[in-house]
Amino acid sequence: QVTLKESGPALVKATQTLTLTCTFSGFSLSTSKMRVSWIRQPPGKALEWLARIDWDDDKFYSTSLKTRLTISKDTSKNQVVLTMTNMDPVDTATYYCARIKIGGYYFDYWGQGTLVTVSS
Amino acid sequence: EVVMTQSPLSLPVTLGQPASISCRSSQSLVYSDGNTYLIWFHQRPGQSPRRLIYKVSNRDSGVPDRFSGSGSGTDFTLKISRVEAEDVGVYYCMQGTHWPLTFGGGTKLEIK
Repeated sequence: QVTLKESGPALVKATQTLTLTCTFSGFSLSTSKMRVSWIRQPPGKALEWLARIDWDDDKFYSTSLKTRLTISKDTSKNQVVLTMTNMDPVDTATYYCARIKIGGYYFDYWGQGTLVTVSS
Repeated sequence: EVVMTQSPLSLPVTLGQPASISCRSSQSLVYSDGNTYLIWFHQRPGQSPRRLIYKVSNRDSGVPDRFSGSGSGTDFTLKISRVEAEDVGVYYCMQGTHWPLTFGGGTKLEIK
């Protein structure tokens, strides 16, 4: 059974760095063709893809946010970590992690999401 | 970056009636392997998105057969043959052919 769960602070201040952890089970990021991505959703707005990390540690970032994002993995702990620097109130959103299997099998499993509010 | 445009924004539908959502991409979603990576998600209020359709027309396990996906190139459609109460929420299309991945703006389905 595949599960993913996001964790991190519910509230951060503007200019601070946000660190979120995605802890998953039911698959391994050391398995070929596995990927984990982060996606966010501001309240009442659409989904926005942020970053991905692959089984071979390849990484890819949103064009508009890549200077602020870092994604990493700890395969032994089944965790993926996303850091976002210089937080702003516009970054207030629910942040999700989700699984990808190469071959076009995008986001078959999602975490429950974690709401992050950025105060000014 | 590929822009995904959905219409309509809002879709009021009577129970038992059909519904259709359009999704257009700013460039072709046909990948070099011949596949088209167009995905549909459904999100109920307060819940995570759930994938309904992948590669244009493949229904996920457990998705009722009243949902169908079609289209090619840059023009795609999600159809619900007979809307049920549990179908309310927001529907998103997403392209997985070109990185970065991009989502449509969403279509909110409500019951009239």
